[in-house]
Amino acid sequence: GDSVTQMEGPVTLSEEAFLTINCTYTATGYPSLFWYVQYPGEGLQLLLKATKADDKGSNKGFEATYRKETTSFHLEKGSVQVSDSAVYFCALALRNNNAGNMLTFGGGTRLMVKP
Amino acid sequence: GAVVSQHPSRVICKSGTSVKIECRSLDFQATTMFWYRQFPKQSLMLMATSNEGSKATYEQGVEKDKFLINHASLTLSTLTVTSAHPEDSSFYICSAREITGSYNSPLHFGNGTRLTVT
Repeated sequence: GDSVTQMEGPVTLSEEAFLTINCTYTATGYPSLFWYVQYPGEGLQLLLKATKADDKGSNKGFEATYRKETTSFHLEKGSVQVSDSAVYFCALALRNNNAGNMLTFGGGTRLMVKP
Repeated sequence: GAVVSQHPSRVICKSGTSVKIECRSLDFQATTMFWYRQFPKQSLMLMATSNEGSKATYEQGVEKDKFLINHASLTLSTLTVTSAHPEDSSFYICSAREITGSYNSPLHFGNGTRLTVT
């Protein structure tokens, strides 16, 4: 079945450090890929997305490139801030699943940024 | 942007009682809403897909009679945890897709409801 695998956390970084959170997927079709962020005590917010190979999604300094050849969608940010501390979820959606665009989530990666 | 309002944000109830959680799309219509459960430090588990005007589709292992879902209108879905027990304590999150959206349109999430059953 379809699945998303993320690196396990927590990831602890100092402010202004470079961030990479790995995400790989398996899918029977040609998925769209997403990164969602969950701040403490809140629901999920869409961070960025990419719908086809080689697309780069970007938002708030974060970016991720859809790599079909490696089935990956790694999240990167050049300089993290304390306010980026949150849990990040990689997810995919397929056109032909029975529930429209039901998302398949990765396990989430907790990021902790220290001042 | 599209907003999903989930209420209540926190609820504490006694074992054996029922709790209703509401999920409203405030500025868009949604034929489909999704209910997730999140355990501490874990990912989201899809519980069920709520379809306006029809029965919800439950994921394997989710008790239909335990978690009642009603999607009475294009802007409201409710999840009722019946006869709650401490093991039902969790963070419940709803999400919705705009009626005009395609399969890869982002889902809009509520802020979640933290349920504690004592």
